[in-house]
Amino acid sequence: AQKITQTQPGMFVQEKEAVTLDCTYDTSDPSYGLFWYKQPSSGEMIFLIYQGSYDQQNATEGRYSLNFQKARKSANLVISASQLGDSAMYFCAMERGGTASKLTFGTGTRLQVTL
Amino acid sequence: EAGVVQSPRYKIIEKKQPVAFWCNPISGHNTLYWYLQNLGQGPELLIRYENEEAVDDSQLPKDRFSAERLKGVDSTLKIQPAELGDSAVYLCASSLEWGKTQYFGPGTRLLVL
Repeated sequence: AQKITQTQPGMFVQEKEAVTLDCTYDTSDPSYGLFWYKQPSSGEMIFLIYQGSYDQQNATEGRYSLNFQKARKSANLVISASQLGDSAMYFCAMERGGTASKLTFGTGTRLQVTL
Repeated sequence: EAGVVQSPRYKIIEKKQPVAFWCNPISGHNTLYWYLQNLGQGPELLIRYENEEAVDDSQLPKDRFSAERLKGVDSTLKIQPAELGDSAVYLCASSLEWGKTQYFGPGTRLLVL
């Protein structure tokens, strides 16, 4: 069975600083994808970044980067130059390959950006 | 490009009443998902459609929940009768096809009294 673990229920970061949100996963499938979503108070899940299990390089999307350490089964999200608008819930999710594929989410980390 | 549209955004009903949620996916997206998100938790898949076919409904409580996607575009999720424990956010998502990135709608926040 797939499992996603986010051990940080809440994080604080000062504006313009970088922050790392932790995510570890557990799967026996060789093929899988890892995702990060942002959920502001409005409720919508906003896709941020994707990393495939066979990707050799860490994914980056603007201020977001994914620190993928396959041997440790971790996929941490790094947000650089934090902005007040980054305050939200952040969910790590995994989708394994195969016809039974579905997204499995972690419990989320609430990030608060302060002045 | 318009995103995933859901309605209503909020719904308050009394227990034992029926309720329905509507979802319009991103144009051209063949795969549609319904998720349930309880407070303080990540979303959990209820059902996945490939066009009009429900290909994964293993997590859908079929005694009271039903869903349809008749023409392979819009979808409706229904609960009848609703119970107190159904209070949650119901999220709809779509993707171009299975295995591609899922894009979510704003969700419907249901409160059962």
